[in-house]
Amino acid sequence: AQKITQTQPGMFVQEKEAVTLDCTYDTSDQSYGLFWYKQPSSGEMIFLIYQGSYDEQNATEGRYSLNFQKARKSANLVISASQLGDSAMYFCAMRAGGYNKLIFGAGTRLAVHP
Amino acid sequence: SAVISQKPSRDICQRGTSLTIQCQVDSQVTMMFWYRQQPGQSLTLIATANQGSEATYESGFVIDKFPISRPNLTFSTLTVSNMSPEDSSIYLCSVERGEGETQYFGPGTRLLVL
Repeated sequence: AQKITQTQPGMFVQEKEAVTLDCTYDTSDQSYGLFWYKQPSSGEMIFLIYQGSYDEQNATEGRYSLNFQKARKSANLVISASQLGDSAMYFCAMRAGGYNKLIFGAGTRLAVHP
Repeated sequence: SAVISQKPSRDICQRGTSLTIQCQVDSQVTMMFWYRQQPGQSLTLIATANQGSEATYESGFVIDKFPISRPNLTFSTLTVSNMSPEDSSIYLCSVERGEGETQYFGPGTRLLVL
C-alpha cells in the first residue's frame, strides 16, 4: 500500500535559519513522484517542489531543496534562510502505482520566530 | 503552473441543504480532481472528473452524496448533497500540469454546516 509519513506535527525555527521537514514514503513501485506543498492559514495549497523517483539529483527551487534518499525512502524538505512568511502547514505527497491521485501525509506545522 | 478559481470561497449552510462548488481553469485539461480536507486533517481525494465520462470516486465517497459535473475541458462542479456538520471541510479542486504531472490547486472552498 502507498503511504506517506510525516512524524513531526510541529516545528519551529528562528528567522534566517535552515529547517528540515521529514517525510518518509512507502511504495513497491519503481516509478513514483514526490511533492511538497505549503498551506498557509488561508487554506490554499501551494506547490513547492517535485522529485521523480528516477531523478539522480536532488530537486531545488529557490530556497527549497528536497533531500531525496531513495534507499531509505525519505524525501525531506529543506528550507534555507527561513522567513516569517514560511510559517504554514507543509504537506508531503506521493503519486505512485500509475494512478493520478496524490496521497498526502498528515502535515507538519512550521512556525518561524523572529 | 495553472490559474484556478473556485466559487464560492466560503459558505455557511444549514444541514439538509446542498451546495454546488465551481472550479474554473485557465486552459483545457483532461482531468480535474476534487479533494476534501476536514478540520485539522490532511487532504483526501473525493473523485477524478474527466470530460465526457462519469467521475471516478474513491472508496468512501459516492455519487449520490458528491455528484460531479464536467461539461467542458476548463470547468467542473462538485455538489455536496444533504449536508451534515460532518461535511464541514475545505474542498479543493486541482489539475495536472508540467513536470511530474504536478497537481496545482484552486484556492479552496471553506464550508461550514450548522
